[in-house]
Amino acid sequence: ETGVTQTPRHLVMGMTNKKSLKCEQHLGHNAMYWYKQSAKKPLELMFVYSLEERVENNSVPSRFSPECPNSSHLFLHLHTLQPEDSALYLCASSRDVGAAGANVLTFGAGSRLTVL
Amino acid sequence: AQSVTQPDIHITVSEGASLELRCNYSYGATPYLFWYVQSPGQGLQLLLKYFSGDTLVQGIKGFEAEFKRSQSSFNLRKPSVHWSDAAEYFCAVGGNSGYSTLTFGKGTMLLVSP
Repeated sequence: ETGVTQTPRHLVMGMTNKKSLKCEQHLGHNAMYWYKQSAKKPLELMFVYSLEERVENNSVPSRFSPECPNSSHLFLHLHTLQPEDSALYLCASSRDVGAAGANVLTFGAGSRLTVL
Repeated sequence: AQSVTQPDIHITVSEGASLELRCNYSYGATPYLFWYVQSPGQGLQLLLKYFSGDTLVQGIKGFEAEFKRSQSSFNLRKPSVHWSDAAEYFCAVGGNSGYSTLTFGKGTMLLVSP
């Protein structure tokens, strides 16, 4: 399997649930990202990991908790979300976080999250 | 801070007609510029990129884009649109040194009419 794989593709959860999104890349990349895509808004960068170390956290609420156990896997743990958190969550990877490498992203197909 | 403006939210083009999607950016130095495409239910796919050199860059699927520094623009073009090109197109700007992340525009939805 190649590329960036995200699971689940669709998730419906209540505000009190705990769930996780999973991302796996088979490209040998060293950097992984979580983006949030909402209607009529630009993609919002949430977290960046480089070699399993978090290098960016863009003022994301603590109800979103990322985890990067190795350079191939990235998780987004979800807890007590709000309806406005409903969105498409995209995972991406890049060769590294340096300018030339970081800007060429390979995206997964996304996890469509609905919070009731 | 870097930013991207895509002034057209939707564009409808007849199949076989030419296409131009507009993108303007704001960045303090020479930027790295990108166009990504997103088909329904999919993630984003890189169409083309500009790092340096020739200001007219060729991409996949017959797309090209031209970097115009004087206009801070990086418009995407295709001479003849196919129905399969219907998708959402995102312009993005990235830094050209050190640690960098991309800033995306809001996207332009391309509709192709028969």
